[in-house]
Order: sequence, then structure tokens, then C-alpha cells
Amino acid sequence: SQQGEEDPQALSIQEGENATMNCSYKTSINNLQWYRQNSGRGLVHLILIRSNEREKHSGRLRVTLDTSKKSSSLLITASRAADTASYFCTDNAGNMLTFGGGTRLMVKP
Amino acid sequence: DVKVTQSSRYLVKRTGEKVFLECVQDMDHENMFWYRQDPGLGLRLIYFSYDVKMKEKGDIPEGYSVSREKKERFSLILESASTNQTSMYLCASSFMAGTYEQYFGPGTRLTVT
Repeated sequence: SQQGEEDPQALSIQEGENATMNCSYKTSINNLQWYRQNSGRGLVHLILIRSNEREKHSGRLRVTLDTSKKSSSLLITASRAADTASYFCTDNAGNMLTFGGGTRLMVKP
Repeated sequence: DVKVTQSSRYLVKRTGEKVFLECVQDMDHENMFWYRQDPGLGLRLIYFSYDVKMKEKGDIPEGYSVSREKKERFSLILESASTNQTSMYLCASSFMAGTYEQYFGPGTRLTVT
């Protein structure tokens, strides 16, 4: 199984700023997903981007995928204190997901 | 709303005890998963099940077993708990086909003393 690796490991920004985090993976993927984990709500699915897509939007989230570089980025615009959480990227082959260590995002009010 | 529930949020057990962690989902999902999460190591898959009475080993199955007697319920068993099994345990479920989005439970923080 392969592992998505997030970068940076930790990120601290002010409320209202944008946050960008990156993910790299090693082999071909079917799709790539981003999840968020905070202490109040556990792990929650944010967005899925398929291997034949290059960009996807969902509210304040924008995900890009570059299969030639085997990388993805998650952009959170106009961040809020409630966005403080750990963010994980994961790919899947079949029904299994493999997670990296995550990016810890801190949004200061 | 999909709901995945876990039997306990916090659990303290002694070394050598047999431990049962229960997970229930209400969305008729075929797939169910058990992960453990440790600082710096992310989530690691212990076991998963794609149907009743079916199971597959994940990346770190040693020291664990699982049981799936009913579609909605997936149990993780620590036959003889050890201190290195102190961790956060997360259960998840998903449909067999489709987007493979997984729905997670709130987690059980297990401490083995």
C-alpha cells in the first residue's frame, strides 16, 4: 500500500488568510481524498478528486491534482478559527485507504 | 446522516486483559475498517472486512483479531492487551463500490497499564 505524505507538518496562520497544504504520493492512484480531523468531530471526509480531474472546488476548499508530479494541494481560503484541525490526504486502490501523518493547521483568531 | 458509533470513547485496561472494541454503522455499508492512530505515524490499518464473516489483514494485524457476525457491526479484539497497544482506535465504514469515501466513528482512546 502506498502512503500520501503531507507537507508541511504544521502550519500556523491568522484568521482570514489562506492556507495551502500539499500531498505527495508514490504510485498511480484511482482518486485522492482529503480528510480533516479535529478533537470535536473526529475524521471527516472533505473532498475527493479523481485521477482524470485537475481541480475541484467545494465551498472554501480548492483541491488540485498533478498526476505527472504525483502531488495534490488543498487550499482553504478565508480561513476561520474553526478550520483548526489536522488534514490528511489519502489515496485508494480498491477499498483501502492509506493515510499519511497529516498537516496540523492552527488558525489564530 | 451516516452514523458510525464506537462503544467507548475512553478505556483503561490492564496488561494481559482481553479487550473488545465495538463499532456499529447504520448505513448498510459493506466495508468496515479498524485503524489505530499514533502521533507521528498517522492512521494505520489493522483489519478490514468487506462482508459478513469476511476479513482481511491490514498493515499491522499482529496482536489483534476481528469479528463481523452482522453487517452493521465490526469488533476489534485484543486477545492479551499490551502497553504498546495504547493508542487511539478508529472505526470506519464505506460502500463496496463508488467513491470509497469512508465514514469514521469518534474513536476510542485505549490505555493499557
